[in-house]
Amino acid sequence: QTALTQPASVSGSPGQSITISCSGTSSDIGSYEYVSWYQQHPGKAPKLIISEVSNRPSGVSNRFSGSKSGNTAALTVSGLQAEDEASYYCSSYTSSSTLPYVIFGGGTKLTVL
Amino acid sequence: QVQLVQSEAGVRKPGASVKVSCKASGYTFTNFGITWVRQAPGQGLEWMGWISAYNGNTYYVHKFEDRVTMTFDTPTSTAYMELRSLRSDDTAVYYCARDRTIYDILNGYYYFDYWGQGTLVTVSS
Repeated sequence: QTALTQPASVSGSPGQSITISCSGTSSDIGSYEYVSWYQQHPGKAPKLIISEVSNRPSGVSNRFSGSKSGNTAALTVSGLQAEDEASYYCSSYTSSSTLPYVIFGGGTKLTVL
Repeated sequence: QVQLVQSEAGVRKPGASVKVSCKASGYTFTNFGITWVRQAPGQGLEWMGWISAYNGNTYYVHKFEDRVTMTFDTPTSTAYMELRSLRSDDTAVYYCARDRTIYDILNGYYYFDYWGQGTLVTVSS
């Protein structure tokens, strides 16, 4: 069980768009703008692709976009490409006294069909 | 360009300690913090804690605070994470990452923009 809830897997065909959800609570996603997203290819280190809900670091493709509504954040990947096949993790600050300040979702494996 | 280069993989026996290094380059080391994240085989990411390379402030996640120490050496721009009393469930890839949080974990940015390549620590008798 992880602090943030993500679907285990999503899939899409090249050129399509997909959205990965990340569900939290009012102690984390619902109250703070500290949601980030990481992409991880097998055997590689995670890579930051979205910070502070919707900010894209320099060099990250504009096909990646982030948003949030209420207690749920979302990562949208548009114009799917084969290289997008990877695992994606959301992360958030939490003010919960029973959790660390930074929590992650369990990860979502994106398959490009 | 920003780079974080970690020490090589290692095997430790249960009860032993491991010290992972993380050498930074391409930026002013003392203007950032270093965060440590681990990933057990086939599992997700787990935040272990943070150290400020500016003032040495640390924050350790509760589950690790009795067994972990994070330090750094400014002249070599190298951060270290030592984990003691190793157990089999500590088998994981340990990552360092650059953290924009400089002064205090309560006034942080809570995202990590550059990562090391990871260090596999295997705990086995």
